[in-house]
Amino acid sequence: DAGVTQSPTHLIKTRGQQVTLRCSPKSGHDTVSWYQQALGQGPQFIFQYYEEEERQRGNFPDRFSGHQFPNYSSELNVNALLLGDSALYLCASSLRLAGNEQFFGPGTRLTVL
Amino acid sequence: GESVGLHLPTLSVQEGDNSIINCAYSNSASDYFIWYKQESGKGPQFIIDIRSNMDKRQGQRVTVLLNKTVKHLSLQIAATQPGDSAVYFCAETYPGTALIFGKGTTLSVSS
Repeated sequence: DAGVTQSPTHLIKTRGQQVTLRCSPKSGHDTVSWYQQALGQGPQFIFQYYEEEERQRGNFPDRFSGHQFPNYSSELNVNALLLGDSALYLCASSLRLAGNEQFFGPGTRLTVL
Repeated sequence: GESVGLHLPTLSVQEGDNSIINCAYSNSASDYFIWYKQESGKGPQFIIDIRSNMDKRQGQRVTVLLNKTVKHLSLQIAATQPGDSAVYFCAETYPGTALIFGKGTTLSVSS
């Protein structure tokens, strides 16, 4: 039973560029949440997708957008990258009807130069 | 905004000791709490959870205690091992909201 997978593992971009991160949820899960984790901090909620729609959103600008596909996988897009976007981006999956227990992937380390 | 905080940023213990990691939460509406362990370079790993209708829940070598009166959560690790060295986060949520994480406590276990 595959857990949550994310790609790529690491990514280096320059300011102003755009990036797309990908996530495949744990088998059987239908909900995907994205978090940003700055160095030394706890994860901060970006948004959550269920049934291909954004259901909740944290305090992040519109430069952060996402998508969920029919197979429940998801993408996180960040436009006009800033130095402050450098962080570990975590994807977590869950089963909507099973409550809030979320399983995290290993994350994508994004460095913006 | 509301957030979950941890009392100590670091905790150092000897192998075999019992460890206690504390967390204070601010939202009295929170009804589900989770402890995560995060090792370097990895995503958070679920350890144990507890719902607000419980005061205590035990797992393998871990116990979570919830005191709703003072909005306090703790994680107890029995017979701490070097492999327990990691950053520990508590997280809270209530229906319709996302997980809210604190800043974490770094547990260092020396042998």
